[in-house]
Amino acid sequence: EPEVTQTPSHQVTQMGQEVILRCVPISNHLYFYWYRQILGQKVEFLVSFYNNEISEKSEIFDDQFSVERPDGSNFTLKIRSTKLEDSAMYFCASEGTSGRNEQFFGPGTRLTVL
Amino acid sequence: AQSVTQPDIHITVSEGASLELRCNYSYGATPYLFWYVQSPGQGLQLLLKYFSGDTLVQGIKGFEAEFKRSQSSFNLRKPSVHWSDAAEYFCAVVPHGSSNTGKLIFGQGTTLQVKP
Repeated sequence: EPEVTQTPSHQVTQMGQEVILRCVPISNHLYFYWYRQILGQKVEFLVSFYNNEISEKSEIFDDQFSVERPDGSNFTLKIRSTKLEDSAMYFCASEGTSGRNEQFFGPGTRLTVL
Repeated sequence: AQSVTQPDIHITVSEGASLELRCNYSYGATPYLFWYVQSPGQGLQLLLKYFSGDTLVQGIKGFEAEFKRSQSSFNLRKPSVHWSDAAEYFCAVVPHGSSNTGKLIFGQGTTLQVKP
């Protein structure tokens, strides 16, 4: 069964460093999302991406964040200069065109900013 | 304010007992409604969804949920819980509207513990 994969599973970085979180969505999907979950809090929407552009972004998704689909298979989230409060689990999700709004999630990347 | 509320942070049930996890939403129009499950170290897996029609929806793993418009609720149920159902359960909505891009709004989550 096709699945969404994410790498790395755990990333530790120093405050101020850039990180790139990688996701490989399900191959024929067209809609892509990033969510995050700070420990002990709810899962929060960050950004949605369709047709090579951002469809919607949340207030969290400020200028320090960017997304890219560089090669038609990967979907990346970049945090330019990490802050302590960026420590969270980051989930990628993808969605096809049939059964609209059924998003398939990856296992997540745990980001720890020291 | 628009929100999704799961009143129970933690629930413990005995194996074989019935289960009901509560979810309430606060939106002007009925949103699309979902339940997801997250096992340790795993991503979020869709259990079931409601868009319209029959208010009782069946999902995977023997789960069902009932949409009640009058109560703005979408409670998840299972008649007989198995030890493997221990996990975190999230209620989520996709609000209707012109800006709908499919973003999910999640509740706080309910952790289910199953006693032998």
